Amino acid sequence: GQQVMQIPQYQHVQEGEDFTTYCNSSTTLSNIQWYKQRPGGHPVFLIQLVKSGEVKKQKRLTFQFGEAKKNSSLHITATQTTDVGTYFCAGGYGQNFVFGPGTRLSVLP
Amino acid sequence: DGGITQSPKYLFRKEGQNVTLSCEQNLNHDAMYWYRQDPGQGLRLIYYSQIVNDFQKGDIAEGYSVSREKKESFPLTVTSAQKNPTAFYLCASSIDRGRYEQYFGPGTRLTVT
Repeated sequence: GQQVMQIPQYQHVQEGEDFTTYCNSSTTLSNIQWYKQRPGGHPVFLIQLVKSGEVKKQKRLTFQFGEAKKNSSLHITATQTTDVGTYFCAGGYGQNFVFGPGTRLSVLP
Repeated sequence: DGGITQSPKYLFRKEGQNVTLSCEQNLNHDAMYWYRQDPGQGLRLIYYSQIVNDFQKGDIAEGYSVSREKKESFPLTVTSAQKNPTAFYLCASSIDRGRYEQYFGPGTRLTVT
């Protein structure tokens, strides 16, 4: 069935270090979305990628969609304490979205 | 002020009781969803609805029921048949299913003892 994997499960970084989370699907995706959930909060939409090889930036965040549309990554440059939270990818399979298990990021000041 | 509201924020129930979680949206979205989130885990889809008076089971629908009598409202009932009901429940909506971002409500944390 449709399944989305994310690695790593947890990541602890020192403030100022970079962070990357990876999202993988065994089958081709139609699109992919990324969400951020702060501790105790609810998921908030960050971005959607649709095209093969697409790269989008939001300030210190860089999102990539693989050429084969089976994987994606989120990279944060120079993390800040405000980046703390869990980052989820949601793989699009036609009209269905399947959420990955998330990567929990903690940032040590 | 547009958005999704869920109430209550915290809910406590005794085992064997049915409980209904509220979800209301004023975004004029057609699609609505219910997810369950367990500690340290991702989001699992319980039910979704694309249009009024129609809804479909998600991956973990057993022990849950929903209704969609109005476009704005999508309540979820956790029945006594749900084996492990204690969890964080999130309601979401989108313009339509497919290539649209989902807007999430603040969630209801249900504890059943």
